[in-house]
Amino acid sequence: GAGVSQSPSNKVTEKGKDVELRCDPISGHTALYWYRQRLGQGLEFLIYFQGNSAPDKSGLPSDRFSAERTGESVSTLTIQRTQQEDSAVYLCASSVGVTGELFFGEGSRLTVL
Amino acid sequence: ILNVEQSPQSLHVQEGDSTNFTCSFPSSNFYALHWYRWETAKSPEALFVMTLNGDEKKKGRISATLNTKEGYSYLYIKGSQPEDSATYLCALQTGANNLFFGTGTRLTVIP
Repeated sequence: GAGVSQSPSNKVTEKGKDVELRCDPISGHTALYWYRQRLGQGLEFLIYFQGNSAPDKSGLPSDRFSAERTGESVSTLTIQRTQQEDSAVYLCASSVGVTGELFFGEGSRLTVL
Repeated sequence: ILNVEQSPQSLHVQEGDSTNFTCSFPSSNFYALHWYRWETAKSPEALFVMTLNGDEKKKGRISATLNTKEGYSYLYIKGSQPEDSATYLCALQTGANNLFFGTGTRLTVIP
């Protein structure tokens, strides 16, 4: 597709389960970002990938969160042993270069019961 | 984590009014300033990316200015229309690295 694709669009899970969120960036975009928005809050940076450089993981809130990216393609964000405070919309964005505008996916809404 | 502040938090204006919002950011280690528009049930969409002090950019009725020395950017909307209703986000990019978003200004344009 032409845009950033995220899946699933909605995920309801039980506390303690693991979840995996997927992001398909725009082809050719070297930079990929994960953000989340919890209810009533702003966009919170999670992790940033730029080409083959080591990712900037400084925004990951705990060691239950991890993300991978294969080259300049798909990225997966994994949350282990989910907690209720993990409930949020997880947004992925990609950009063509270091000052390129971000193109966002439609997000994955995660609800942890 | 850098502190990017936006004001006001929310704003209601009448159709046809012009309005503006502020984004304040630490001026050290500045690389770029982004503005995004986020409509309900949609993804954020880029409006502007500005890199130089004194930059002014315009897209239709929306324009933005940048002052990197004092650490602020203004977004202006001329003749607001109901379809302008959205949350407007600014984001600071430091180095060639990730973006830190403000919490946004929620604009409602009343017909």
